[in-house]
Amino acid sequence: EVQLVQSGAEVKKPGESLKISCKGSGYSFTSYWIGWVRQMPGKGLEWMGIIYPGDSDTRYSPSFQGQVTISADKSISTAYLQWSSLKASDTAMYYCARLLVYMDVWGKGTTVTVSS
Amino acid sequence: DIVMTQSPDSLAVSLGERATINCKSSQSVLYSSNNKNYLAWYQQKPGQPPKLLIYWASTRESGVPDRFSGSGSGTDFTLTISSLQAEDVAVYYCQQYYSTPLFTFGPGTKVDIK
Repeated sequence: EVQLVQSGAEVKKPGESLKISCKGSGYSFTSYWIGWVRQMPGKGLEWMGIIYPGDSDTRYSPSFQGQVTISADKSISTAYLQWSSLKASDTAMYYCARLLVYMDVWGKGTTVTVSS
Repeated sequence: DIVMTQSPDSLAVSLGERATINCKSSQSVLYSSNNKNYLAWYQQKPGQPPKLLIYWASTRESGVPDRFSGSGSGTDFTLTISSLQAEDVAVYYCQQYYSTPLFTFGPGTKVDIK
């Protein structure tokens, strides 16, 4: 079964760093792009960016370029989303999903709460 | 950038009745070389991640009930639930995947029971 398992909920303070993860299984992790999507509380889905774990080719939405870093470690079939300095406005649910061009398999999401 | 809009923002439909959601893209998402519309529909129930329903504008994902159907081409698309069931209460999003790497979503349409 194809699965994406995301890391657990995080509670952080403004200015702290954070790296959340998305581990793929049941398929060839290096052969499909992984995308990240943000959903702020009570709001819609926002496309953040994608990475191809095979060669770490990464593309960002202009809205998120410079705000986050997407990476992957193909040796452990895991993609990452990280922040160097969190803001309260980063409070959201973050989903990873496999891309077959469209997003066919989604992780359950990681809740990130940033509060002083 | 391709901007996606949806209408209505929300709708309430009686059980067993038809629900229709519209999605419009600011430019065509029809790729002429393969004649495919790069448009997907997702369902998100409360507290759950989105679930793929329809891709290539009209191809139903495996396991999705046949009461869900997608139609349209170019810039105008429709998701139809032919006979609304209680388990269909959710927010529905369209997404274009034509414009790499910015695969924008529509703002969502909330479907409730009347």
